[in-house]
Amino acid sequence: SQKIEQNSEALNIQEGKTATLTCNYTNYSPAYLQWYRQDPGRGPVFLLLIRENEKEKRKERLKVTFDTTLKQSLFHITASQPADSATYLCALDSGGGADGLTFGKGTHLIIQP
Amino acid sequence: DAMVIQNPRYQVTQFGKPVTLSCSQTLNHNVMYWYQQKSSQAPKLLFHYYDKDFNNEADTPDNFQSRRPNTSFCFLDIRSPGLGDAAMYLCATSRDLREEETQYFGPGTRLLVL
Repeated sequence: SQKIEQNSEALNIQEGKTATLTCNYTNYSPAYLQWYRQDPGRGPVFLLLIRENEKEKRKERLKVTFDTTLKQSLFHITASQPADSATYLCALDSGGGADGLTFGKGTHLIIQP
Repeated sequence: DAMVIQNPRYQVTQFGKPVTLSCSQTLNHNVMYWYQQKSSQAPKLLFHYYDKDFNNEADTPDNFQSRRPNTSFCFLDIRSPGLGDAAMYLCATSRDLREEETQYFGPGTRLLVL
């Protein structure tokens, strides 16, 4: 069955540095990969989508890469701020859209002032 | 603003007492989903509706049912809640079922079972 692993449950980064989060997947060949942000007690909020034929996608201070050979996506936040502290979820579609999204457990990111 | 609304935000029920969670959307999306999320876990898809077509995940317990009376509203019914059903329940929508569709989530309902 599909499996999604995100690199750690908590990542502490100093304000101003670049935070890098990892999403690895197995038994799966997604055409798309999405990243969501989730704040405590709230629903996930969509951030970025990257297609399998795209190596990199950027949005303001966010950058996502997608390596289908390594079966890995990296999510970068540059010039990190304490307001970026949240849990970041990687999500894959199981194909055809029929089964919704399969989420990873998420990485809890803490940006320290 | 177009949005996904869930009521109530917090729900307390007793072991075995039926409970219904509500979701409404003003996005006019075709698809509505229900996810269960336990602490520090990934959201787990329970089922979804594409318009009136209901799709149940294979491992969703029979204790969980859903209704979608119209485009805007979707309900999650838990017939006999157990202690293990305490979780955050997330409703989400998407325009369609294509792979590249993003999902829009409500704020969630946190269910406590006593």
